[in-house]
Amino acid sequence: EIVLTQSPGTLSLSPGERATLSCRASQSVSRSQLAWYQQKPGQAPRLLIYGASSRATGIPDRFSGSGSGTDFTLTISRLEPEDFAVYFCHQYGSSPGTFGQGTKVEIK
Amino acid sequence: QVQLQESGPGLVKPSGTLSLTCAVSDGSITSDNWWSWVRQSPGKGLEWIGEIYHRGNTNYHPSLKSRVTISVDKSKNQFSLKLNSMTAADTAVYYCGRVPGGKGYFDFWGQGTLVTVSS
Repeated sequence: EIVLTQSPGTLSLSPGERATLSCRASQSVSRSQLAWYQQKPGQAPRLLIYGASSRATGIPDRFSGSGSGTDFTLTISRLEPEDFAVYFCHQYGSSPGTFGQGTKVEIK
Repeated sequence: QVQLQESGPGLVKPSGTLSLTCAVSDGSITSDNWWSWVRQSPGKGLEWIGEIYHRGNTNYHPSLKSRVTISVDKSKNQFSLKLNSMTAADTAVYYCGRVPGGKGYFDFWGQGTLVTVSS
């Protein structure tokens, strides 16, 4: 199965700053079938991005995804207070689908 | 928009069987979507368990395939998970989710239910 490694483990930033999160796959992700989710404490994950770069319904345009092959990036252009959370990547191009271990974006 | 709600016991004895149900509301389980189970634990992170289509087609994680059964009840608009031979390693928050058009990602999730394996 494909192993997804996210970095950094924790990102300490201030509101208004730019966040860049990385997700690296152990082998190429088929047809860029990679998603990003946001999770807040006690809540279920929320879909942000699918197909590596397509925003899900209702997701603000400050969230953007890019990448292909084995390297993917989630960028939050200007952090809002509600963006401080844990972010997971998820590849669904090869079965079984797998998740990264998460990147926590915390307030500096 | 569609809503999903998990239900089931929060405590299962070692070697016992977990039974969870996911009720789907504001949407039909017979729509062209797949319905899935995912779990999350501190040790293993997020782990896909399996999925089902309303016609009964299923796919399971290879590591869990021998212990898992996912079924659908169209009359009740819900689907279910059974996981047998439970151990402490199966302690996790269990989520149900929708896979739109079978595309592989999850666009709607239930709120999750904590299942603890303990005697």
